[in-house]
Amino acid sequence: SQTIHQWPATLVQPVGSPLSLECTVEGTSNPNLYWYRQAAGRGLQLLFYSVGIGQISSEVPQNLSASRPQDRQFILSSKKLLLSDSGFYLCAWSSDRTNTEAFFGQGTRLTVV
Amino acid sequence: SQKIEQNSEALNIQEGKTATLTCNYTNYSPAYLQWYRQDPGRGPVFLLLIRENEKEKRKERLKVTFDTTLKQSLFHITASQPADSATYLCALLYSSASKIIFGSGTRLSIRP
Repeated sequence: SQTIHQWPATLVQPVGSPLSLECTVEGTSNPNLYWYRQAAGRGLQLLFYSVGIGQISSEVPQNLSASRPQDRQFILSSKKLLLSDSGFYLCAWSSDRTNTEAFFGQGTRLTVV
Repeated sequence: SQKIEQNSEALNIQEGKTATLTCNYTNYSPAYLQWYRQDPGRGPVFLLLIRENEKEKRKERLKVTFDTTLKQSLFHITASQPADSATYLCALLYSSASKIIFGSGTRLSIRP
């Protein structure tokens, strides 16, 4: 069966520090991969999505970047964090064949101080 | 750009009643419309999907309708229970781009 791993679960980082969040998927190949951010009490904002290795689509101009160095690995990065980068970050995958529902990781609670 | 609105930020209803949540979108219709449940501190969990050529879909106590003329989906939970209390999110999938866009969610509370 397919599983998605996202880590760390919580992270506290100072303003100006770099960020790297990693997400990996097991049990499937060539998944569509997504990064979302959720502010407290709000909906999910799509940040990046990828349909293949090295293919990244950015939805919102911001202080973040994403990379997909391997088929089932999706990384969210920042060179210098801002206070406004705080939030709940969620990675998700969907099948490239059925292209239907998304399966989410457990999320990373990022607090920038 | 595409916009999704879930009309109610919060909805409180009595146990046993039917909860009805609304999702409206602008511009062109998606290939699929989905509904997810999210509990506090967790990632969303998929519940139901309805295609653009379908009018209604059911799963146990859940029912989803999809009206591409009105650009609206309704999500019903019949015989609601306190355990149904959660945030419910609608999402649109555009097959041409493989991206999934979410609404802001409705926080549903079922009181005993």
